[in-house]
Amino acid sequence: DIVMTQSPLSLAVIPGEPASISCTSSQTLLHSNGYIYLNWFLQKPGQSPQLLIYLGSDRAPGVPDRFSGSGSGTHFTLKISRVEAEDVGVYYCMEALQTGSWTFGQGTKVELK
Amino acid sequence: QVTLRESGPALVKPTQTLTLTCTFSGFSLNTTGMCVSWIRQPPGKALEWLARIDWEDDKYYSTSFKSRLIISKDTSKSQVVLTMTNTDPADTATYYCARALMDVWGKGTTVTVSS
Repeated sequence: DIVMTQSPLSLAVIPGEPASISCTSSQTLLHSNGYIYLNWFLQKPGQSPQLLIYLGSDRAPGVPDRFSGSGSGTHFTLKISRVEAEDVGVYYCMEALQTGSWTFGQGTKVELK
Repeated sequence: QVTLRESGPALVKPTQTLTLTCTFSGFSLNTTGMCVSWIRQPPGKALEWLARIDWEDDKYYSTSFKSRLIISKDTSKSQVVLTMTNTDPADTATYYCARALMDVWGKGTTVTVSS
């Protein structure tokens, strides 16, 4: 199975400042079709997770453009250009490359400083 | 509008079989490329992907749970069912279903495994 490792596991950010979360996979997530099968989710307190980024860098509908995803192969980054109060929660990366099982990272808790 | 709703027992006893149902609307599991996944989250812990079924009725399971899980679909009812055998208190969690690459999630159903 692919192992997904996130860092840091927690992050305190001043509102208006940028934030960055890293996600590393044990195998490349670049498919032979050229797509990167890496998603980012945000789970706000008391809510179901919501999709932020799919295929490595495509923002899901309705997601603010302050969120961006990048990376290739095995190293990926989620960036928030200016953190807002509503961005508090736990962020997860997830690989969806395998035709078998999929895997989430451990999660990164983001709170305001 | 795409929606998914999880349902099932709130409490099961250890060693019993847990059956969860995901009832969805706004899409069809007959559509090429479509799938539905089950994911769970133990209290205070991270998300765990459990299983997935696709439009061709292919089934995929987490290797950590594979021997205990069965996923099935009833396209006519727009439902996906997850069965977990031999439950343990460690299976206490909120169970979610989600569409495709998880662009839409249900609200989750909380299951407690306790005697």
